[in-house]
Amino acid sequence: DTGVSQDPRHKITKRGQNVTFRCDPISEHNRLYWYRQTLGQGPEFLTYFQNEAQLEKSRLLSDRFSAERPKGSFSTLEIQRTEQGDSAMYLCASNRRGGETQYFGPGTRLLVL
Amino acid sequence: TQLLEQSPQFLSIQEGENLTVYCNSSSVFSSLQWYRQEPGEGPVLLVTVVTGGEVKKLKRLTFQFGDARKDSSLHITAAQPGDTGLYLCAGALTGANSKLTFGKGITLSVRP
Repeated sequence: DTGVSQDPRHKITKRGQNVTFRCDPISEHNRLYWYRQTLGQGPEFLTYFQNEAQLEKSRLLSDRFSAERPKGSFSTLEIQRTEQGDSAMYLCASNRRGGETQYFGPGTRLLVL
Repeated sequence: TQLLEQSPQFLSIQEGENLTVYCNSSSVFSSLQWYRQEPGEGPVLLVTVVTGGEVKKLKRLTFQFGDARKDSSLHITAAQPGDTGLYLCAGALTGANSKLTFGKGITLSVRP
């Protein structure tokens, strides 16, 4: 069990640029979640997948955000035309069918200048 | 309005002291999880509780899920500097595999 991994760990970008983050869940976990955490707050739900199907999206996920999980394994989260307000820690978590517990990756810290 | 309220928000204590922190809601959760998070890292799972009234122990940490599954507490015995961190509680409202709703967290500092 290698745990959830995320890449990159840190990203600095200029306002208006596009960024893409990757998450590799624990193998055989069919559910994958994306959360966003800003300073002084707990993580907030963005979206989740069961296998390759995106089953729910938060209203936090504006049309500049898109997430995919094409083969039901790794997932990508893309932010287009980044804004300073997108600066946050982006967290990925996974769990298996029927499992109560979500396991988190180390996160990708995004800074938009 | 925060669905999960954690208290106190900040706590600074001396090594060896005991402490209890709380996670409260007016909503019923199918499960509740406690995580600890270090700066710049993702949350690390401490415990999952699913049954009302359940008590779980993890070394010096004792977790309790309220009878009505609306609240939880975390008690630390003889705190150590290594316990320093952000403690997050997170609840699942609609059963297994549902999104988690987090509190804002409790920042604990244990002074040597």
